[in-house]
Amino acid sequence: GQSLEQPSEVTAVEGAIVQINCTYQTSGFYGLSWYQQHDGGAPTFLSYNALDGLEETGRFSSFLSRSDSYGYLLLQELQMKDSASYFCAVRDYAGNTPLVFGKGTRLSVIA
Amino acid sequence: DAGVTQSPTHLIKTRGQQVTLRCSPKSGHDTVSWYQQALGQGPQFIFQYYEEEERQRGNFPDRFSGHQFPNYSSELNVNALLLGDSALYLCASSLEGPYGYGYTFGSGTRLTVV
Repeated sequence: GQSLEQPSEVTAVEGAIVQINCTYQTSGFYGLSWYQQHDGGAPTFLSYNALDGLEETGRFSSFLSRSDSYGYLLLQELQMKDSASYFCAVRDYAGNTPLVFGKGTRLSVIA
Repeated sequence: DAGVTQSPTHLIKTRGQQVTLRCSPKSGHDTVSWYQQALGQGPQFIFQYYEEEERQRGNFPDRFSGHQFPNYSSELNVNALLLGDSALYLCASSLEGPYGYGYTFGSGTRLTVV
């Protein structure tokens, strides 16, 4: 089976940088994804890492270290609208094996 | 381009009743996955449909069943509802294959069992 660990809550100041960590245990591994979910909304895809290293998409970056079974999501220049829950998710094999989600990190951005 | 559409958005049912939730995937997507999300938790995988077959199933009882139609739309049925079935039910569509890692989620159906 798979398990993912991420902090339950993080608070950061507007304009700052915040890092949300995720460690995982899977029988196989085929990529780490990140999703954002605002209260009452649908999860939306943010990023995907299949190989080690950093992927950058605007203010958001995601990092993966397969040897450490670890990844993180980095949010820069925080804005109030970034207040949401962030989920890491893994797939253990190629093809359309289902995503398994962590319990989520609730990010609160304060002024 | 329409995303994933789910209906209804909200539903209140009584214990013991049956419910059917519906999902239309994003245009071009052929795989539908259903998730249950309790308040403050991550989505829990229920099952996945591809080519009208249930391909994978999570740790959910047989009371949870589904169907996928030739147009890729899907239904989730829950029989003999329990209070603990109250949750947000999310449908996600994706494209078959190794690049289908980006799920598109619908806004969900909020089911309340009383």
